[in-house]
Formats: sequence, C-alpha cells, structure tokens
Amino acid sequence: GQNIDQPTEMTATEGAIVQINCTYQTSGFNGLFWYQQHAGEAPTFLSYNVLDGLEEKGRFSSFLSRSKGYSYLLLKELQMKDSASYLCAASDSNYQLIWGAGTKLIIKP
Amino acid sequence: GAVVSQHPSRVICKSGTSVKIECRSLDFQATTMFWYRQFPKKSLMLMATSNEGSKATYEQGVEKDKFLINHASLTLSTLTVTSAHPEDSSFYICSARDGGRETGELFFGEGSRLTVL
Repeated sequence: GQNIDQPTEMTATEGAIVQINCTYQTSGFNGLFWYQQHAGEAPTFLSYNVLDGLEEKGRFSSFLSRSKGYSYLLLKELQMKDSASYLCAASDSNYQLIWGAGTKLIIKP
Repeated sequence: GAVVSQHPSRVICKSGTSVKIECRSLDFQATTMFWYRQFPKKSLMLMATSNEGSKATYEQGVEKDKFLINHASLTLSTLTVTSAHPEDSSFYICSARDGGRETGELFFGEGSRLTVL
C-alpha cells in the first residue's frame, strides 16, 4: 500500500536548526512536496523535489533520496513564526498526492 | 504567484440545510481542482478530484450525493454540503493545480470552516 511516515511532533529552540524526516512508499513516484500549515489556515507550498539531492531556498532546504524513499526538510535560524505543522506529500504514478499526517513543530524561546 | 480564493471562510448553519463553498483560481486556469477535509490535528483527507466539464471523482467512503461538486469553468469549482449535520462540521480546503507549471504544485484556498448546529 501507499504510506507516508513523519514524526508527530518536534520541539526546537529559536535560532537553532531542525530536520523533519519523511519516508514514503508509493505506487510510482512523481515528486515529493513539503507544505507548511499554521493552525486554522490552509497549507502553503514550501518545496518540491523530484531528483535526488538538496534544494536550498533561503532558511529552508529539502532533501530527497529516491532509492531510500526518504526526504527531509531542514529549517535553519528558527523563528517563532516557524511554529506550525509541516506536511510531507508524495506524488504517485497518477500524480495523486499521498499526504503524511504532518509534524507539529514547536519553537521555544 | 498563483492565487486560489475560497469563500466563505466561515459558515454556521442549522442542521438539515445545505451550504455551498466556492473555490476560484484567480490568475490561472485550473483544469483540476481538489477538495479536502481536515479534522482537528489531522492531515488533509482528499474528498474528491474535480475536472472541468466532467463529473468529479470521489474517494472511497465519501458520499457523492452528500458532497456535490461542480467544476463548471476553468476557474471555478463548488462544493455543496447537502442536508448538513453536526458531524459534517469541519475545515474544508480546496486546491488547484496550475497546469502551466512543471512542478505540478498545488495552490490552496484559504479554507472554509463549517459549523453545523
């Protein structure tokens, strides 16, 4: 079956670095998305990876290993506003998104 | 960037009434729109995929007669919750795929919080 796994909750300190991992199993693969969702709001797009490697975009970076079915989202210089849920989603052979349950990130001063 | 507008953002209705939620892509044509439901502290649950000019494809377990989806144009899809009941109270989110972008990235509406009394 198709499955996405990511930690339920993580805690980090303001100014630090945090890595949120995601493993996936899908029927076919057409890319891996990361979205940020603040409580009560719709998700916003953070990154898309379809090739192996690291994609850097400001304070956020995303990594993909297709052979391992693994991705991570790296957040640097954490700010209080980064407190949110981070959703990992994999696109299968039909371009349908399979969603993880999300990782709630708590930032402490 | 691409913008998807969803309306209303909040709606409270009495049990038994119907509620319509609109989803519009403002600056791009969306041949495909998706409707999700999100329960508190849960991930997004795909309800249906809406293709312009054709019937929506519903996910298993989603009642198509209860959740009517219409995608009449390339910029508008609507979700109608018919004969709403308290258990239908939830956060409903639409998204649209910009076919002009290689990434196939989804753009989300702001979401609609439905409360059925």
